[in-house]
Amino acid sequence: QQQVKQSPQSLIVQKGGISIINCAYENTAFDYFPWYQQFPGKGPALLIAIRPDVSEKKEGRFTISFNKSAKQFSLHIMDSQPGDSATYFCAAMYGGATNKLIFGTGTLLAVQP
Amino acid sequence: GAVVSQHPSRVICKSGTSVKIECRSLDFQATTMFWYRQFPKKSLMLMATSNEGSKATYEQGVEKDKFLINHASLTLSTLTVTSAQPEDSSFYICSARVTGFSQPQHFGDGTRLSIL
Repeated sequence: QQQVKQSPQSLIVQKGGISIINCAYENTAFDYFPWYQQFPGKGPALLIAIRPDVSEKKEGRFTISFNKSAKQFSLHIMDSQPGDSATYFCAAMYGGATNKLIFGTGTLLAVQP
Repeated sequence: GAVVSQHPSRVICKSGTSVKIECRSLDFQATTMFWYRQFPKKSLMLMATSNEGSKATYEQGVEKDKFLINHASLTLSTLTVTSAQPEDSSFYICSARVTGFSQPQHFGDGTRLSIL
C-alpha cells in the first residue's frame, strides 16, 4: 500500500513531441504528489507538484494531470527537448510526523534531436 | 532559493575507513533532513529521517551503528559510514525540508562513495 508504481521504465521521444509518464498509488492518505528530475551524477530536482484537490497543474511545458478516483497521476512534457533527457521520478507523501516521500521506480527519458 | 549543499561530492577510500558526509541547507532552516541511498539505474531508497536535536529514525534493514546520523543544527546534518566496506559503495543523497503542510524536499547533489 506504500508503493507508487511508475511506467514506462524508459521512453524515447522525438524533439518537439509529448512525453507522458504515468504513476499510480494505493494509499489514499497521500496528500502531496511531486515530480523530480534527475540528471546523471546529480541529486533529484523538484520539477512540479500537485495536491489531490486539484486535477491539473501546469508550469511552462510541464503539466501534472491528477485523477483522484483512479488514484493515478501523470506528467506531460510538451514540446520535449534534448535537454529534457533525464530520469524522472514521481513521488507521494502524506502528512504526519515524518512526511516521508515514497518514490516511483523512475523513467529514463531520451529526447532525440 | 531552497539550496541544499552536500559535501564531498565524491570520495574514494580503503575498507575499514569511516567516512563523513555533510548536508547543509544554505538558505533555509531545515527541521527535517533525510538520507537516501541510490543504486545505479534505481530509485532512491530512504535510509533515515533526522529531526534537529533528536535521534534519527532509521528505515527497516538499515544498520544504525553502521550509518551514524547527526542533525546538530537547523542547517546541518551529517552521515558517517563507519568501518566502510566495498558493499557500502553507493550514491548517497540528502534532502531537507521545512516544517509545514506539503512542504517539498530539496535534494543535494549526492556523494559518490567508493570503497576499495
